[in-house]
Amino acid sequence: GAVVSQHPSWVICKSGTSVKIECRSLDFQATTMFWYRQFPKQSLMLMATSNEGSKATYEQGVEKDKFLINHASLTLSTLTVTSAHPEDSSFYICSARDAGKDYEQYFGPGTRLTVT
Amino acid sequence: GQNIDQPTEMTATEGAIVQINCTYQTSGFNGLFWYQQHAGEAPTFLSYNVLDGLEEKGRFSSFLSRSKGYSYLLLKELQMKDSASYLCAKVDSNYQLIWGAGTKLIIKP
Repeated sequence: GAVVSQHPSWVICKSGTSVKIECRSLDFQATTMFWYRQFPKQSLMLMATSNEGSKATYEQGVEKDKFLINHASLTLSTLTVTSAHPEDSSFYICSARDAGKDYEQYFGPGTRLTVT
Repeated sequence: GQNIDQPTEMTATEGAIVQINCTYQTSGFNGLFWYQQHAGEAPTFLSYNVLDGLEEKGRFSSFLSRSKGYSYLLLKELQMKDSASYLCAKVDSNYQLIWGAGTKLIIKP
């Protein structure tokens, strides 16, 4: 149980285009989902927290107009990187929290984004 | 801000035992997680401690001292596949995870 999927697993896009990443909880309802970014050899950096049906809460320094998050259902959250630039190239990981599981976060497999 | 401190890198020998320490601020504490992350992959859950003491799960054990703001992950009978980064994360007063920078564990034959 507690499986989280992410799609796509990797994507290459041109500078200036937008990319959408999907995060799905497959066998549980996730009232809260988290989006992380991880640069090589660095730790996870929380970008934003999204609760189903409400606006996402962004961490300081994360541009909400650039990283659009939608959490329209209890099993799906999407992150759209708008007008991507090479510096946005990173490993994006989502996680979902099942509130009945001691606040553990279940991670998706991650999406590697390369902007050329 | 909240500081979660753990060593940057550790090296150990296959078959040996290694202990990875993690210290944190004791205020606003609601539990502590350990995750394993192999290069290029997402983190996977190892353990969760909310009460003091040692919890053993196979080759891996996790210890917590709430009064000292201290936890460790103990790995026994090390295998080459244990080479990974180990992330310590504190659950804060808002039930959000505060992540350490991770400890890269290198296992040598």
